[in-house]
Amino acid sequence: DSGVTQTPKHLITATGQRVTLRCSPRSGDLSVYWYQQSLDQGLQFLIQYYNGEERAKGNILERFSAQQFPDLHSELNLSSLELGDSALYFCASSVTGTVNSPLHFGNGTRLTVT
Amino acid sequence: GNSVTQMEGPVTLSEEAFLTINCTYTATGYPSLFWYVQYPGEGLQLLLKATKADDKGSNKGFEATYRKETTSFHLEKGSVQVSDSAVYFCALADNYGQNFVFGPGTRLSVLP
Repeated sequence: DSGVTQTPKHLITATGQRVTLRCSPRSGDLSVYWYQQSLDQGLQFLIQYYNGEERAKGNILERFSAQQFPDLHSELNLSSLELGDSALYFCASSVTGTVNSPLHFGNGTRLTVT
Repeated sequence: GNSVTQMEGPVTLSEEAFLTINCTYTATGYPSLFWYVQYPGEGLQLLLKATKADDKGSNKGFEATYRKETTSFHLEKGSVQVSDSAVYFCALADNYGQNFVFGPGTRLSVLP
């Protein structure tokens, strides 16, 4: 058990809808990362937060947004969903959010857009 | 930009066989290198890491050596077990950016 909790585990929704994925980091970890894993694109970095502030942004679409709250949990919001957004979405956390602090991953949220 | 290339899978081996999964990288500066493993239905777990040239990371019988001259970080294990069946990801993190870059993953199947 990595200590990172993601909810829900599975989500099925229709095109055009909006969903929110939630992540609780390991106790003591200040940084949260979001990744998208799909069969054809592999593991793609979306965005990173550190202690409530955005620290780095990767290949995140404008339809997607995220935030980290004062209690350090994070939410990833996906809107105007398309079939191609179907994927596994992973949250990871680390203590410092730097290269010296390895990532600890949750078990992911599987999103299916129909 | 930074990138990681891994050998394509799937790799299928018999139990007790020797394993090598190749990984090469492109990065500026002096990145840290990692191997993560993903078991079915789970998130990625850190397997081992190396933070500077010639460092050897090791864990659970797996080893990888940071070779700056060949920009490689190949994963090896002398005798694989069925329980090693998983997807293995090579990754790097540079000292300037804050995000980790992952390779495409290599699926390993070990047959009894």
